[in-house]
Amino acid sequence: AQKITQTQPGMFVQEKEAVTLDCTYDTSDPSYGLFWYKQPSSGEMIFLIYQGSYDQQNATEGRYSLNFQKARKSANLVISASQLGDSAMYFCAMREGRSGNTPLVFGKGTRLSVIA
Amino acid sequence: DTGVSQDPRHKITKRGQNVTFRCDPISEHNRLYWYRQTLGQGPEFLTYFQNEAQLEKSRLLSDRFSAERPKGSFSTLEIQRTEQGDSAMYLCASSLILRQGGDGYTFGSGTRLTVV
Repeated sequence: AQKITQTQPGMFVQEKEAVTLDCTYDTSDPSYGLFWYKQPSSGEMIFLIYQGSYDQQNATEGRYSLNFQKARKSANLVISASQLGDSAMYFCAMREGRSGNTPLVFGKGTRLSVIA
Repeated sequence: DTGVSQDPRHKITKRGQNVTFRCDPISEHNRLYWYRQTLGQGPEFLTYFQNEAQLEKSRLLSDRFSAERPKGSFSTLEIQRTEQGDSAMYLCASSLILRQGGDGYTFGSGTRLTVV
């Protein structure tokens, strides 16, 4: 079974607008971490934001915020004030367990295109 | 901190040939991961090391694949008797053990393998 599901293969957003990229996850472990990565055309995976399963507040990092809904098992990424440089693939990932001994599992990604 | 380096960036090889990729992690990171990414997919876990010990191997890692990290620093990934299905981007990442949440993994730019 898929542990990470990203249902949007592609998304378009107007420059300066906000956009939400969806991610749902599946785990029975009460302790886990959720990550978002950006992959531009150059290929490098760039860490954006992290949410721990026990974190009480939604994570924020600059223009990125993570809408964490634990009961729904969703961890959507919100990008505010989109910029042309935000055009890239975006991957949601999860690591199960508290000690970090399990590797990250990635979703299939969403391609975001920012339009001027 | 020069980041995670991978060499080569691109490799074209004939089917049946052996190839070897190298990854130099961030020097103070003791964990090193190999992932494979095919077109339109998210990265898939292959194997990881803690220092020089290989702690986990995915079922994706067939007998033709071998990875080493002899001195707990750089790592090599060798593919023997390459097949066209091996064509993919091979990503390396490093992290600190027990670094709870925070910045996740740091990825290299990847090695793109094309088997012709």
